Formats: sequence, structure tokens, C-alpha cells
Amino acid sequence: ETGVTQSPTHLIKTRGQQVTLRCSSQSGHNTVSWYQQALGQGPQFIFQYYREEENGRGNFPPRFSGLQFPNYSSELNVNALELDDSALYLCASSIDPAPNYEQYFGPGTRLTVT
Amino acid sequence: AQRVTQPEKLLSVFKGAPVELKCNYSYSGSPELFWYVQYSRQRLQLLLRHISRESIKGFTADLNKGETSFHLKKPFAQEEDSAMYYCALSTFNRDDKIIFGKGTRLHILP
Repeated sequence: ETGVTQSPTHLIKTRGQQVTLRCSSQSGHNTVSWYQQALGQGPQFIFQYYREEENGRGNFPPRFSGLQFPNYSSELNVNALELDDSALYLCASSIDPAPNYEQYFGPGTRLTVT
Repeated sequence: AQRVTQPEKLLSVFKGAPVELKCNYSYSGSPELFWYVQYSRQRLQLLLRHISRESIKGFTADLNKGETSFHLKKPFAQEEDSAMYYCALSTFNRDDKIIFGKGTRLHILP
């Protein structure tokens, strides 16, 4: 059984650029959630995908968008990067979107915007 | 609005002493509560959830709906318990699927 993987590990971008982060869910999981974790803070919910459809979205602007593919892997896209977007981006997969199911986290992608 | 509060950023406890990590939540519905842990250089992982009412690595957490708390406890701290601990509230709300507290760093002193 393969765990959740994320790529790339680290990324440096310039303000105004666009970035795509990738996540492969754990085998058998159909739900992927994305989180932003700023330094010294807990993870903050960005959005969730369930069977290729968005299934909830936190308080993030539309320049944060996502996709889920038929194999349940997922992408997070951020347009028009701002300095405040610098953070660790985590994805987590689960076997079901219901709240009582455990989330399995990836190692994260560290994004630095200069 | 839903909220999870962990009042302590850092908690230092001597090995063998009891540990209590505090978590208070604000939610009008029936809460699903979790404790996640992140050991050094490892990914975030589930420690325990309130519905299973189990003890993991000697830790327990009781949901107190009256006090809206879900404190994490262990009677005797071990050095390997040093880690970052996050309390999390999971909901059916589309906008607040899961809300994490800011975390408490537990440092076990030898």
C-alpha cells in the first residue's frame, strides 16, 4: 500500500507567477483535501475533492483552484502568486469524505514566493 | 463560526510526569474531534479520534460537550512523546470541512 505522495518537495516562485502542486492519494482513497500551513499555524482547509468533483471549499480566493483525476490524484493550482502564499501545502486523502474518516497526509510542498 | 483553540503554544513536561494538552472547540452541531501528531521530520498523522474511545501510545482524550473540550492526556510522559500536536474538528459543512487548532509543541524534559 502506497502512502500519499506530493511533488515537488520545494518550490520557489516569483510574485505574479502561477504554480501547480501535485498529490497522489493513498491506494483505495477517493477523497483528497488540500491545506495551507503558514509558519507557526495549523493547517487551513483550502478545498476537498471527492470523485473528481469539488466537495467543499474554505475561505480562499478563486485564484486557488484544483482538479481531481479519474485515478483520484489531484492538483492544486495557484494563479497570480502573492508573497503571503508562501507556506507548506499539504494534501490528505481519505476513503470517504464523511467527517469521521481519518485523513492520511502527504509530506507537503514548501512554496516560497519572492 | 467553527473554531478550535489550543491555548498553549509550547508545553514542557518532565519525563514521567502527567501530560495534558488542552483543546476547546466552538461548533453548534455534533462534533467529530481528532488529535493529530507530527513527530520531527515525519508527516502529520492521526493519533486518536473521539468516536473510537481508544488509548493510543498511552494517550486518551475525552469529549466534554458541556465544556466544549477535547483535552489530550497521558499519565506518564515519555521522551518519544516530544512532538507537535494538533486538535482538529471535522464537520459536514462544505466551507469548514476540517478545522485545525494552531498546535501545541510538547517538549519532554529528561
